[in-house]
Amino acid sequence: EVQLVESGGGLVKPGGSLRLSCEASGFTFTSYTLNWVRQAPGKGLEWVASVSSSKSHIYYARSVKGRFAISRDNAKNSLSLQMNNLRVEDSAIYYCARAGDSSGYWFDPWGQGTLVTVSS
Amino acid sequence: SYVLTQPPSVSVAPGEAARITCEGNNIGLKSVHWYQQKPGQAPVVVIYYDSDRPSGIPERFSGSNSGNTATLTISRVEAGDEADYFCQVWDSGSDHHVFGGGTQVFVL
Repeated sequence: EVQLVESGGGLVKPGGSLRLSCEASGFTFTSYTLNWVRQAPGKGLEWVASVSSSKSHIYYARSVKGRFAISRDNAKNSLSLQMNNLRVEDSAIYYCARAGDSSGYWFDPWGQGTLVTVSS
Repeated sequence: SYVLTQPPSVSVAPGEAARITCEGNNIGLKSVHWYQQKPGQAPVVVIYYDSDRPSGIPERFSGSNSGNTATLTISRVEAGDEADYFCQVWDSGSDHHVFGGGTQVFVL
């Protein structure tokens, strides 16, 4: 069974930093693009960042570029998101999502998410 | 940047069909994917590549995409279909994934 388990969320002050992790199991980790998608409370889904299987392609949403860094450790089957200079508007549930296939164009499955709250 | 527009809500009686639209400029030239999200749960893909259905998703879920509108159709709606539905595309022009704002489906 494919599983994605996020961790690392919590309460942080504006301007602070946080590192999220996603542990993956049940599939060949090195074959898939991985993604972070977030959802502010009561709001819609917002794509955050993607990293290809070989790490050769990394993409960021404009809202986080320059502040967030996505990375993966193919030896440990893990995905990370380093979030710096956090803003109140970054408060959201952050989901780790695997690409549905080798194209990377869709997301399946998703983890259960980890909550990030940015507040003074 | 590419924008996807969905109606905020759709109401449908049990047994009827629900149609959820996703509008975007020439969206018919892109592949559209649909996700269902129930309260307190992570999203689940119900349609990918416009009209493909993952294993485990009922045949009542179908999709189409042409021109400026993609549509998710839920036939013979059941109470358990009440959820938020999001469309999504990969915009190669910006190298960004884009989500629609989401549609809340109410079963009357």
